Amino acid sequence: NAGVTQTPKFQVLKTGQSMTLQCAQDMNHNSMYWYRQDPGMGLRLIYYSASEGTTDKGEVPNGYNVSRLNKREFSLRLESAAPSQTSVYFCASTNLAGVLGELFFGEGSRLTVL
Amino acid sequence: GQQLNQSPQSMFIQEGEDVSMNCTSSSIFNTWLWYKQDPGEGPVLLIALYKAGELTSNGRLTAQFGITRKDSFLNISASIPSDVGIYFCAGHNTGNQFYFGTGTSLTVIP
Repeated sequence: NAGVTQTPKFQVLKTGQSMTLQCAQDMNHNSMYWYRQDPGMGLRLIYYSASEGTTDKGEVPNGYNVSRLNKREFSLRLESAAPSQTSVYFCASTNLAGVLGELFFGEGSRLTVL
Repeated sequence: GQQLNQSPQSMFIQEGEDVSMNCTSSSIFNTWLWYKQDPGEGPVLLIALYKAGELTSNGRLTAQFGITRKDSFLNISASIPSDVGIYFCAGHNTGNQFYFGTGTSLTVIP
């Protein structure tokens, strides 16, 4: 029972390089999210996808793009990485069904930008 | 974005003691969630609450959905060393976004 799976778990980039973080969920959830977690800042929403085919900006979208490839997969792309994007990135999913929802997280992707 | 007020920020307790933490919001929520995050891991959902006044247990953990719908409480009884970690709350109303607490760091001294 995998739940939410993120790859890669660790990545080191140089400033200006690009990369894509992958996320897949096997719970048939409609909604998927990308958060970043920084010391003292808590979880901050980057982008979310309420349903297949839709994406919306969250609190800190600058420097990121997302793709909801299908119902299972939601990827996060850094086109030109900056040191300020050094963080731990979490993908999450839920089935909000209008009101009630439990949010499940992946194990995280730890990104360092030099 | 809105962050929930969570207290205490950190706790150092002896093994076997009980622990209490709480989360407050300026907004009403329909759902309260409590998570535990171990170092280097993702947050793991401990308890979900859906109704004002609801009291739900998961082993030694008990959480309550406040009557005002603006707060929630988590209690851990008879703490053990593996309870160490960061606990945080999350709230959800209608819409697509969840709001998170600032976290309580728990240290259990054997």
